[in-house]
Amino acid sequence: QVQLQESGPGLVKPSETLSLTCSVSGGSVTSSYWTWVRQPAGKGLEYIGLIYSRDVTHYQPSLKSRVTMSLDTSKNQVTLKLSSVTAADTAVYYCAREQKTSRDLDYWGQGILVTVSS
Amino acid sequence: DIQVTQSPSFLSASVGDRVTITCRTSHSISTYLNWYQQVPGKAPKLLIFAASSLQSGVPSRFSGSGSGTDFTLTISSFQPEDFATYYCQQSYATPRTFGQGTKVEI
Repeated sequence: QVQLQESGPGLVKPSETLSLTCSVSGGSVTSSYWTWVRQPAGKGLEYIGLIYSRDVTHYQPSLKSRVTMSLDTSKNQVTLKLSSVTAADTAVYYCAREQKTSRDLDYWGQGILVTVSS
Repeated sequence: DIQVTQSPSFLSASVGDRVTITCRTSHSISTYLNWYQQVPGKAPKLLIFAASSLQSGVPSRFSGSGSGTDFTLTISSFQPEDFATYYCQQSYATPRTFGQGTKVEI
């Protein structure tokens, strides 16, 4: 059974970099695809990006200039960095596993609320 | 990017109703369409993948259909625990995109 757990600061100042970690248990980060999704309060799901095979990434075009995803194979973690944040980046951030074949998001973390405020 | 248009945005349902939600994509995506259920305060949960395949553990009252650009999620007999928001997602191309969601209320 794969389990995902997001962690990181719940409060980030404007213009700073948001950094989140998704710890994976029950499977290796190198054997699956990993996705970050976010959801502002009361709004829908927004796809942030996808990473697999250590360095292959696909980002949402509107966030591409500010997003970096990476895999830490030694810790079995997926990381998300979002730079130059504003209040518009306040949201619940989820990590999820994407199935390689069917390309669905079959396992999700519980989500972490990140608030951007001074 | 492939646009995903989901309708309706809101839906009123009663226990026992047959409920239908639709998604339309801006380009043909074969059957790379997934459906998720989200209850408030929880992460989304996969219901249907590849347009019509039922995820393990999901009740059989949920079903999906469609291919190309038009897709449907059907709940055959709505149950109290089905009050939630439902999202479709295309996984044919990156960036993956979600529909706007359908909130199903009493």
